Amino acid sequence: DSGVTQTPKHLITATGQRVTLRCSPRSGDLSVYWYQQSLDQGLQFLIQYYNGEERAKGNILERFSAQQFPDLHSELNLSSLELGDSALYFCASSVGSRSSGITQFFGPGTRLTVL
Amino acid sequence: LAKTTQPISMDSYEGQEVNITCSHNNIATNDYITWYQQFPSQGPRFIIQGYKTKVTNEVASLFIPADRKSSTLSLPRVSLSDTAVYYCLVGDGGSQGNLIFGKGTKLSVKP
Repeated sequence: DSGVTQTPKHLITATGQRVTLRCSPRSGDLSVYWYQQSLDQGLQFLIQYYNGEERAKGNILERFSAQQFPDLHSELNLSSLELGDSALYFCASSVGSRSSGITQFFGPGTRLTVL
Repeated sequence: LAKTTQPISMDSYEGQEVNITCSHNNIATNDYITWYQQFPSQGPRFIIQGYKTKVTNEVASLFIPADRKSSTLSLPRVSLSDTAVYYCLVGDGGSQGNLIFGKGTKLSVKP
């Protein structure tokens, strides 16, 4: 158990809908990272927040957005969902602010299925 | 921008040493190389991280040559429980701090 929690574990929805994925970092960690993992694209970095501020950005679609709240939990919002958005979404956390060169602790993931 | 390349799969037998290499030709000067292990339906788990030369911890070693264009993860005396996918991770050196995972190497350890 990494100490990072993600809810829900599974989510099934329809195209065009909007969903919110939630992540709680390990106690004491200030950074939260979001990743998408699909069979064809592998692990793709989406975005990092550090203490409420956006810190690093990857290949995140405009339909996707994230935020980190004062209690340090984070939410990833996915809108206008398409079939291709079906994937595992992982959240990770770390102590420091760097995007690279820092140990990240991953949560168990949320499996999103878009029908 | 950085790009990583790893072998898609490797086979080994219990007790053997396994070396998995990742090439990252455009790694940024100040960037580290990190390796993760992932089992099915689980999140990746940190194995080891380094900047240059050699790093060793209780589970693995990481070898990074002077030009830092590649890195080799070494797993000594693998067991069946080491069967997993192994990923290298580097930053892309760009202004947005993008992180690049390799496509992963599926290691199969046989008895």
